[in-house]
Amino acid sequence: ILNVEQSPQSLHVQEGDSTNFTCSFPSSNFYALHWYRWETAKSPEALFVMTLNGDEKKKGRISATLNTKEGYSYLYIKGSQPEDSATYLCAFVPNTGNQFYFGTGTSLTVIP
Amino acid sequence: DVKVTQSSRYLVKRTGEKVFLECVQDMDHENMFWYRQDPGLGLRLIYFSYDVKMKEKGDIPEGYSVSREKKERFSLILESASTNQTSMYLCASSERRNTIYFGEGSWLTVV
Repeated sequence: ILNVEQSPQSLHVQEGDSTNFTCSFPSSNFYALHWYRWETAKSPEALFVMTLNGDEKKKGRISATLNTKEGYSYLYIKGSQPEDSATYLCAFVPNTGNQFYFGTGTSLTVIP
Repeated sequence: DVKVTQSSRYLVKRTGEKVFLECVQDMDHENMFWYRQDPGLGLRLIYFSYDVKMKEKGDIPEGYSVSREKKERFSLILESASTNQTSMYLCASSERRNTIYFGEGSWLTVV
C-alpha cells in the first residue's frame, strides 16, 4: 500500500479568503498526480491531471502545482466562495500497474 | 457526457444476506474499480478489473468478490453481508491511468 497523505484534514475559511492544501506522495515510480473535487451528494469530479515536475495547472480560481522530486502537490483556491465547499482528493498514479492511490482528502467549508 | 451508473443508491440488508452492487460505464474503459468510503479512512480500493474476466485484489478484498463478464459492467458481491460492511460504495472507471470517472455511490446498511 502506497502512502498518500493530505493536509489539513479539514479547513473552515471565510468567503473571500484564499486557501491552500497539500498532497504528499512517494517521490519514486511517479506517473501522474490527480486532483478531484467531491461535493456532498455528488460524484467526485476531476480537477487536474498533472504529469510533469514543475507543472502548474489552473481552472478559474483554483490552481495546482506539482513537485515530483520531493513528492508533493499544492492546491490553491483564490477568493473562496461557498460553492467551493467540498472534499478535495488527490490520487497518486505510479508508472506500473493500473491503480490509483487516494489520500484521505481535505474537507473545505467556506463560510458566507 | 461520460457516465458511470450504480443501479442501487440506497440499500438495507440483513446480516448474512448476499448483496449485489451493479455498476455500468458507457465509455468503453478498460479499467473499473470498486472503492468503499468510510469517515476518516478515505477511499479504499476493494477490487479492480483491467479487462473482461480479469480482476485484482485491492487493499481490502476480504468479504467481497467481483464479476466482470462484459466490459461495461462490474459487479461487487458481498457473499454474506456483515454489519462492518455498512458503508458507502463507489464504482469508477478509467482508460488506463487517465482520469477516473465515478458513479454516485451506493449507500449500504447491514442490520
